[in-house]
Amino acid sequence: DQQVKQNSPSLSVQEGRISILNCDYTNSMFDYFLWYKKYPAEGPTFLISISSIKDKNEDGRFTVFLNKSAKHLSLHIVPSQPGDSAVYFCAANPIYNQGGKLIFGQGTELSVKP
Amino acid sequence: DSGVTQTPKHLITATGQRVTLRCSPRSGDLSVYWYQQSLDQGLQFLIQYYNGEERAKGNILERFSAQQFPDLHSELNLSSLELGDSALYFCASSESGTGIPYEQYFGPGTRLTVT
Repeated sequence: DQQVKQNSPSLSVQEGRISILNCDYTNSMFDYFLWYKKYPAEGPTFLISISSIKDKNEDGRFTVFLNKSAKHLSLHIVPSQPGDSAVYFCAANPIYNQGGKLIFGQGTELSVKP
Repeated sequence: DSGVTQTPKHLITATGQRVTLRCSPRSGDLSVYWYQQSLDQGLQFLIQYYNGEERAKGNILERFSAQQFPDLHSELNLSSLELGDSALYFCASSESGTGIPYEQYFGPGTRLTVT
């Protein structure tokens, strides 16, 4: 049972335009959502997070939106740069979590073309 | 560089064999997490240790086991290997065991290929 889903395996965007990566979840018992970025041959690195009590969090070019009623979150990158090309994972932290384990989506590979 | 090291980077072995993956957490981090990423899958949480004690368990097979040593490094042991165990295995560490989620720092992973 995939509790966190990223239905688009890949996304291609022109440099300077907006990239929108989407993530859906099925379980209401998540209190934190995170986005991780992964380059080839490296581990995931934390990008941005959002608490379930908020609907938006912004950090520079990166903004995460949370729509709790739709159980949907999205990551906006504006403007997109070639260096943003990577695999992006969304992850969720269960409310009952005492150990910090995260539930990840399958990832979306973003390609930003010059 | 996250400060988390994993060895080896690549491992090729045959079905039925046993392997050990090693992880050294960031200096000062007490928690170690193991994740498995199979082809086209997200990272699946396997197990977490905090200061030598098992803290949380995910979908870890009985053929797999882990431990965290007094120097805080961790080892993931995979036995009776099957073709389906071929995956990337990531280790992450965090300072605490109660996991403010973004505090997890990931190593570069070990790619296991079972032939």
